[in-house]
Amino acid sequence: GENVEQHPSTLSVQEGDSAVIKCTYSDSASNYFPWYKQELGKRPQLIIDIRSNVGEKKDQRIAVTLNKTAKHFSLHITETQPEDSAVYFCAPGPDKLIFGTGTRLQVFP
Amino acid sequence: DAGVIQSPRHEVTEMGQEVTLRCKPISGHNSLFWYRQTMMRGLELLIYFNNNVPIDDSGMPEDRFSAKMPNASFSTLKIQPSEPRDSAVYFCASSLLAGDQETQYFGPGTRLLVL
Repeated sequence: GENVEQHPSTLSVQEGDSAVIKCTYSDSASNYFPWYKQELGKRPQLIIDIRSNVGEKKDQRIAVTLNKTAKHFSLHITETQPEDSAVYFCAPGPDKLIFGTGTRLQVFP
Repeated sequence: DAGVIQSPRHEVTEMGQEVTLRCKPISGHNSLFWYRQTMMRGLELLIYFNNNVPIDDSGMPEDRFSAKMPNASFSTLKIQPSEPRDSAVYFCASSLLAGDQETQYFGPGTRLLVL
């Protein structure tokens, strides 16, 4: 089955700095690469996704890059704000998403 | 749209009791997923349905767990008998698996505590 790993498991940054979280996966059939954000006590919510025919996608302060050859994709958050503090999950698919172990991001004002 | 609806939001029960969790997916979605989240094991997929048919139940921990989807607007996850190690947050999610529409929308979750 799919093996999904995220690094780092925790990340602390100063407000305004950038944050990068990397996700590696094992299933070469994966063709859908989403990132979910889960705030404390709340449900996971999709923040950005990318498909295998695209190398990079950007949405304001967040971006996702994909390296299908190396089987990894990364979440980039620029100009971090305290409200970015949450746990972030990668979940490569398709159909059946396998969630990574999560990265706890703390943004200090 | 009300989003994915789950009930109850909180459940406290005693070991050995039957627990039934309920989910109403977003109208028009054709796929439904049940997840369990714990600190130790993270977010695990238990089972998912496509067009009301169970597609993959390999994540269901054991025979004490069962899930049904009798129609497109309702699903249940049952634990019988419940055990303390079943304590977790159970999420239901739905999506429209068609073309590029794969986003899963999660419900608010059911926080289960088995004493």
